[in-house]
Amino acid sequence: DARVTQTPRHKVTEMGQEVTMRCQPILGHNTVFWYRQTMMQGLELLAYFRNRAPLDDSGMPKDRFSAEMPDATLATLKIQPSEPRDSAVYFCASGLVQNIYGYTFGSGTRLTVV
Amino acid sequence: AQKVTQAQTEISVVEKEDVTLDCVYETRDTTYYLFWYKQPPSGELVFLIRRNSFDEQNEISGRYSWNFQKSTSSFNFTITASQVVDSAVYFCALTTDSWGKLQFGAGTQVVVTP
Repeated sequence: DARVTQTPRHKVTEMGQEVTMRCQPILGHNTVFWYRQTMMQGLELLAYFRNRAPLDDSGMPKDRFSAEMPDATLATLKIQPSEPRDSAVYFCASGLVQNIYGYTFGSGTRLTVV
Repeated sequence: AQKVTQAQTEISVVEKEDVTLDCVYETRDTTYYLFWYKQPPSGELVFLIRRNSFDEQNEISGRYSWNFQKSTSSFNFTITASQVVDSAVYFCALTTDSWGKLQFGAGTQVVVTP
């Protein structure tokens, strides 16, 4: 089965450090999402791309978060500087706009900021 | 504004019992899509089903069945003869735009004990 690959799976970092999370979407998928999951807020959309162009990043704190797709095989989510409240599981998902049977999610990156 | 409500926080059942998860949605759009995802203890999000607003036909897939009722804005999910492997958090989600941006409910934790 095709998979969305996220790295790293776990990350522990100190407050103030830069964190970069990576996602390899399924080949041929033209839409990529970043979601964040916390106990308090549940699953929140941070940003998404179609054909590598950002469509909506209104869910992201702009001052510290940035999301990019340097090419069709890589999406990145960067936090600089990180804060303890950023501790969460970050999911990447990919899919085809024309085929929304369901987006395929990666296994997530569990981020802990101490 | 869109909203998905899963009022049940946790449901505990004994193996072989049936369990029904409620999902109520709000949207002003006439075209929309509803989803169910499963999140087992391992953490990944697994797609279960998609339904569009023009298709109210109920669906059965193995031990899973879904009851979509537009009149009550509900899209309920039933697991028949539950098994321990069904223990997970189940999310209902909604999208109304062609980009497929998903609005998730808070999730329902299902605990199946032997």
